[in-house]
This record gives sequence, C-alpha cells and structure tokens, in this order.
Amino acid sequence: QKEVEQDPGPLSVPEGAIVSLNCTYSNSAFQYFMWYRQYSRKGPELLMYTYSSGNKEDGRFTAQVDKSSKYISLFIRDSQPSDSATYLCAMSVGNAGNNRKLIWGLGTSLAVNP
Amino acid sequence: DTEVTQTPKHLVMGMTNKKSLKCEQHMGHRAMYWYKQKAKKPPELMFVYSYEKLSINESVPSRFSPECPNSSLLNLHLHALQPEDSALYLCASSQGHGISRNTEAFFGQGTRLTVV
Repeated sequence: QKEVEQDPGPLSVPEGAIVSLNCTYSNSAFQYFMWYRQYSRKGPELLMYTYSSGNKEDGRFTAQVDKSSKYISLFIRDSQPSDSATYLCAMSVGNAGNNRKLIWGLGTSLAVNP
Repeated sequence: DTEVTQTPKHLVMGMTNKKSLKCEQHMGHRAMYWYKQKAKKPPELMFVYSYEKLSINESVPSRFSPECPNSSLLNLHLHALQPEDSALYLCASSQGHGISRNTEAFFGQGTRLTVV
C-alpha cells in the first residue's frame, strides 16, 4: 500500500461546479498537508497549506484535514476553466531534517469545461 | 520578486555530454531543492540544500552533481546521463525557518531534459 493514495482521474466538470479532490494516507505521523496545482509543462504551485487537523479557506479553495480518517480534501467552488490542471496532495511528518520530506500523491487531472 | 528562475527551459544532450542546469531565487530563501518529475508522476526529491550546505541526498546516482555557490543559486551538473534520465527537472525554494515556512513553497518552471 502506498503511503499516499490519490485517484489520478481524469475528472471532468462543467464550469461553476463544486469540485472535490481527495487523498488518503496510511502514516498517522503526517502533520503537514499541502495541495499543489500544476499546469501542463509548468512547475507545481503551492495552493493550500494546513498543519494538523481542521479546515482552511482561501477564496474559492477550502482544504480539509481529517486525521482520524487519514483523509484530506480540497474543494474548489465556482470552478473555472482556468482551474483545469493537475492537483497534487503532499504531506510530511515534520518540518526539519528528513521528517520534512514531502510524500506526494499521484495527482488528479481536472478539466473544467466552459 | 517571488520567482524561482530555471535555465535552460529545454535541453537535449547526448550520453557523453556534460551540461549544467541553473536555478536562481532572490526571495532570501535559505533552503533550495532539486526534484525530478516524469510524465504523469509526482515530483521525486533529489537533493536539499539548507544554508548552502547539502542536507539531503536521496541516493541519487553520481552522474548528477549538485552545487550551491551562494544562497541565491543552485546548479545541477550532469554527466554521462542515460536516456531514462529524461524528465522535467524542477528547482524549488523555501524560507527554511519555522513551521509554516519550511515547505517547498515556490517551484521554478523546470528544465525539460532529453537524453539521446
């Protein structure tokens, strides 16, 4: 079993839809949870960063962490064609030394259709 | 300036060539990273420099040689590569202090490397 599981999709939604992207993980020691967006032929861009459990909101994006279920989510409200990209979750045990190494999901390919 | 700049954007090299990838940031970040990314895969960590010292080497073959000349620059020297080394090579940087800042917050656009 991989440490981080993420459905690669592809996921196709109409413009304006609410998008839900998810990752599950097996290592209960993970404390730092990130979502990155990667457009085709570009480097990843950090979207959301969460420490431990709870929700975090930034504009149309909401990140949720449920440590009891080992499950994290990214919600995109009012999705736009410009949101079409690959979304990667990443997590780490700590923030120093080898504990800061990011463990990545495979990424979910999202297409938002006008 | 909130950018990590990588050069060149594309590189084609033969298996006997020596080439270098360059990465530059002027955000005052003290941690810099090299990643390798294959198509439809997540980035794989190769090296981490913290305060210009190599702190993590993920058992990368010696044909890849990193160098950090100063806090703004990171190089990756390539020699005797194999076709399977063809990939997108990404540089990233982070502030390197504290809890919320110790994440690879900024990635460059990458160098798309093809080994022939």
